[in-house]
Amino acid sequence: GESVGLHLPTLSVQEGDNSIINCAYSNSASDYFIWYKQESGKGPQFIIDIRSNMDKRQGQRVTVLLNKTVKHLSLQIAATQPGDSAVYFCAETMNSGYSTLTFGKGTMLLVSP
Amino acid sequence: DTEVTQTPKHLVMGMTNKKSLKCEQHMGHRAMYWYKQKAKKPPELMFVYSYEKLSINESVPSRFSPECPNSSLLNLHLHALQPEDSALYLCASSQDRHTDTQYFGPGTRLTVL
Repeated sequence: GESVGLHLPTLSVQEGDNSIINCAYSNSASDYFIWYKQESGKGPQFIIDIRSNMDKRQGQRVTVLLNKTVKHLSLQIAATQPGDSAVYFCAETMNSGYSTLTFGKGTMLLVSP
Repeated sequence: DTEVTQTPKHLVMGMTNKKSLKCEQHMGHRAMYWYKQKAKKPPELMFVYSYEKLSINESVPSRFSPECPNSSLLNLHLHALQPEDSALYLCASSQDRHTDTQYFGPGTRLTVL
């Protein structure tokens, strides 16, 4: 289930389950979105991105959904594995001018065998 | 190859020390970034270099001094730091300032005593 800790929301799932990590983004003008995975002691690793002219994009075992109407982004991980345990950050930006990448608060995904 | 390397991996320094963090990428990227990340928090942007010129300084204290000697290297010079500066310092790069897929290095874990 999902719980909100002192600083970081946590999603706990069983190995083999599908996971859904949600993100509410802040800027309605944002037109490019990225999901990063950060394992303990490592830097954020690019997983998948999506531009605002799309509402769905699929990768290997991952799918990103974008709902611009409610400013919501989600990351779906199929057949979650223990190696998927990490903190997941969504990030948004405007792909024009000198905009910067704005990160969401992050969600910790814990996968138990 | 989407590798960004950072050295050192760990650094412990006193408040009177001077040290430098180094970042290198060989992807031909022309934008490079420094971020600071505290535990259980998203990365916070510090500096952006575009074509070896500083384009964004997010009101970072002068005890942090960035330098971009060439298009592949980015340094962060540290002097007279405070214990609250202890954090994970992340370097990232992207193809250019308008292409927003940023690739991160593993980070330097800095402890200020």
